[in-house]
Amino acid sequence: DAGVIQSPRHEVTEMGQEVTLRCKPISGHNSLFWYRQTMMRGLELLIYFNNNVPIDDSGMPEDRFSAKMPNASFSTLKIQPSEPRDSAVYFCASSLGLRGNSPLHFGNGTRLTVT
Amino acid sequence: KNEVEQSPQNLTAQEGEFITINCSYSVGISALHWLQQHPGGGIVSLFMLSSGKKKHGRLIATINIQEKHSSLHITASHPRDSAVYICAVGNNNDMRFGAGTRLTVKP
Repeated sequence: DAGVIQSPRHEVTEMGQEVTLRCKPISGHNSLFWYRQTMMRGLELLIYFNNNVPIDDSGMPEDRFSAKMPNASFSTLKIQPSEPRDSAVYFCASSLGLRGNSPLHFGNGTRLTVT
Repeated sequence: KNEVEQSPQNLTAQEGEFITINCSYSVGISALHWLQQHPGGGIVSLFMLSSGKKKHGRLIATINIQEKHSSLHITASHPRDSAVYICAVGNNNDMRFGAGTRLTVKP
């Protein structure tokens, strides 16, 4: 099993540009989560999907952030327009079942730098 | 007050020492997770537990639901155990993370 695959590993962009982060969950997992990690705030849940349906997006900081899961094997997190304060490491994780009740499998993260 | 408190924030140990990291939480949970974040940034799930005790190799995790407290123990610590250990509590509607404990094990 290849694990959760995220791309790109690193992204450097200028303020105002659109950024798209990608995630491929583990095959067979029906829950997918997007997290953001910063020095100031630690790990934060942004949004999670169950069976490709967004369940809870209350962690999405603002309307500039959007996430989609068009099928069971792919999800995107988009920031448009990006701002320097969006600089962080973004993790995707997947699991069987609902969050909190099943082990989480994390991707290696995408380090985003917005200048 | 944070809903998930970890202690200590930083811990330095000599190789071979017994390590304990603590996690206290104030919210209702269905499960507690211990995560390990390597210096390179990757996150690995070590344990998920909702009661009692789990053991995996040199790692032991315990939880006391009544006291809302969990501990992660590392026996015979090794420099490769150096990482940030994160406690996370989840229920059906939310997950909250502790700030992490940075462990450094010196040879």
